[in-house]
Order: sequence, then structure tokens, then C-alpha cells
Amino acid sequence: AQRVTQPEKLLSVFKGAPVELKCNYSYSGSPELFWYVQYSRQRLQLLLRHISRESIKGFTADLNKGETSFHLKKPFAQEEDSAMYYCALTGRLAAGNKLTFGGGTRVLVKP
Amino acid sequence: GAGVSQTPSNKVTEKGKYVELRCDPISGHTALYWYRQSLGQGPEFLIYFQGTGAADDSGLPNDRFFAVRPEGSVSTLKIQRTERGDSAVYLCASSSERGTEAFFGQGTRLTVV
Repeated sequence: AQRVTQPEKLLSVFKGAPVELKCNYSYSGSPELFWYVQYSRQRLQLLLRHISRESIKGFTADLNKGETSFHLKKPFAQEEDSAMYYCALTGRLAAGNKLTFGGGTRVLVKP
Repeated sequence: GAGVSQTPSNKVTEKGKYVELRCDPISGHTALYWYRQSLGQGPEFLIYFQGTGAADDSGLPNDRFFAVRPEGSVSTLKIQRTERGDSAVYLCASSSERGTEAFFGQGTRLTVV
């Protein structure tokens, strides 16, 4: 069975400090990993995916297959980064793009 | 439309009643997904449509839940004999054929009293 675990429910950091959101997964095949973000009163939207290996809004995430992790990092948090963040996975060879989500981490960036 | 649209945005119903939730995906998107998000949790998969057919309905919790997409565009999630435990935000998402980015609607908040 596939599973995504986000151990932190809440992360509170000061503006300009680094932030790291942890994500661990279990999946028997070849997973595709994503980070989704939900800003206040907005819909869930894709932040980044591991296959694109790009940095979005200063965030990066590296897939570590040995540790089955996909942690999200940003070196200098901004107040506009305050939001709910969800790690998610799908099977790269699976039919469709059914996503399994973690429980989410709320990030609060204080001024 | 510009994005995935869900109606109504809020629905309050009495226990035992029947409800329908509507999703209008992005034009041209062949894949459509329904998820349910309970308070304090991440979204949980319910059902996936490719075109008009339900390709994967393994996430539907029981036979009170049913979804249709008769013309391969708009989808309706139907819940019979609602229970208080059905209270949640129901999310719809769509993606292009074999596309991996899912675009989400704003959700329908269902409250069963």
C-alpha cells in the first residue's frame, strides 16, 4: 500500500530563517512525488514535482529513494510562504494520476 | 472556464438526506478525480474518471457514494442517506490525458447535521 507521512502538523519560523518540511513515503514501485500548497482562501495548487527538478518560489525538494523521503526546503522563508503544504505521490506506471496525500504541514512565517 | 469549478461551495443537509455535488473540469481535460478532505487531514482519493467511464472507484467508502460523468465533462458526486461522518470538503480535480499535474477546484464543504 502507498503511504505519505508528514510528521509535523505545524512549523513556525521567523522571516528570513530556513524552513524544511519533512515528507516520507512508502511505495512499492516507481513513485512520482509532488508538493502541493494551499494559501489562505485559495484552492490547492501544485508547487513542484520531483521529475522537473526545478526551484519554485525559492523552494526545492530532492527525492531520496534510499531514505524514501522528499523533504521541501527554502533557505529564507518569507511571510507569503505561510500556507498549508501537502506532500503527495502517484505511481509513475499506474493508470491515471491518483494522488495519495500526506496529512499536511501548516507553515507560519512570523515577521 | 479558467479553472475547475465546483458547486455549491457550501452545502448543509440533514442526516439521511440525498445530496449531489457538481464538478465542471477544465475544458478538454479527459481525467477527472474526486477527493474528500476531512478536518485536519490531507485529501483522500475517492474516484477517477477517464472520459465517461470510472477507471478507478476504489476510494469510494461504501455504496452510498456514487459518481457519474455521462458526457465526459461535468461530473456529479451523489451521496445517499447522508451521515454526520460524511461531513468534509469534497474536492474535484482534472488533468489532461496522461498529464500528471492535477488542477483542483475550490471544493464543496458538506455539513451533515
